[in-house]
Amino acid sequence: SQQGEEDPQALSIQEGENATMNCSYKTSINNLQWYRQNSGRGLVHLILIRSNEREKHSGRLRVTLDTSKKSSSLLITASRAADTASYFCATPIYSGAGSYQLTFGKGTKLSVIP
Amino acid sequence: SQTIHQWPATLVQPVGSPLSLECTVEGTSNPNLYWYRQAAGRGLQLLFYSVGIGQISSEVPQNLSASRPQDRQFILSSKKLLLSDSGFYLCAWSVQGGRRAFFGQGTRLTVV
Repeated sequence: SQQGEEDPQALSIQEGENATMNCSYKTSINNLQWYRQNSGRGLVHLILIRSNEREKHSGRLRVTLDTSKKSSSLLITASRAADTASYFCATPIYSGAGSYQLTFGKGTKLSVIP
Repeated sequence: SQTIHQWPATLVQPVGSPLSLECTVEGTSNPNLYWYRQAAGRGLQLLFYSVGIGQISSEVPQNLSASRPQDRQFILSSKKLLLSDSGFYLCAWSVQGGRRAFFGQGTRLTVV
């Protein structure tokens, strides 16, 4: 079952603008992760934010987490054409014996126009 | 450093033929291993995960099976492919009890 749900499904912006993607989830989490996927490739981990954190930065990325609303946002500042990709949020669900299943949303497809 | 290898990159198979996709991880021990499927324009669906050799958990009833014959080897199989098995298959690993996942480059399977 899918835990996360990204919004919007697709986003098209001009190079240099900021891109904001949102993620909502259903159950309690201990962290939330964002991944990037270039077309036809595997996913690459971008950033992880723990449940006791409200904001985290990594380069041009800024992630926020609101556990009361069960939502997170990913902000990419000063976007570049190379940022064109699909972005997914993911939450680990404990499945027993110390293992976690990472469940993903459907993703936001970002297009950055040069 | 850890690496994950997944092959083949693309595969075209006729309906009713068998399938074997292989994934191997290097540079780590006792990883959690995962198989996901991604339909066109959609999110990732977890198919199988494994916490150890011979230990496989299935998330979705389907025409597929998985095996883990060695600690760092994960195989996705089918005895008879269906058209609906077409998709992009991704293998991933994570540290036991950890959070971040590392993905292979995926296999594009087209069943014709």
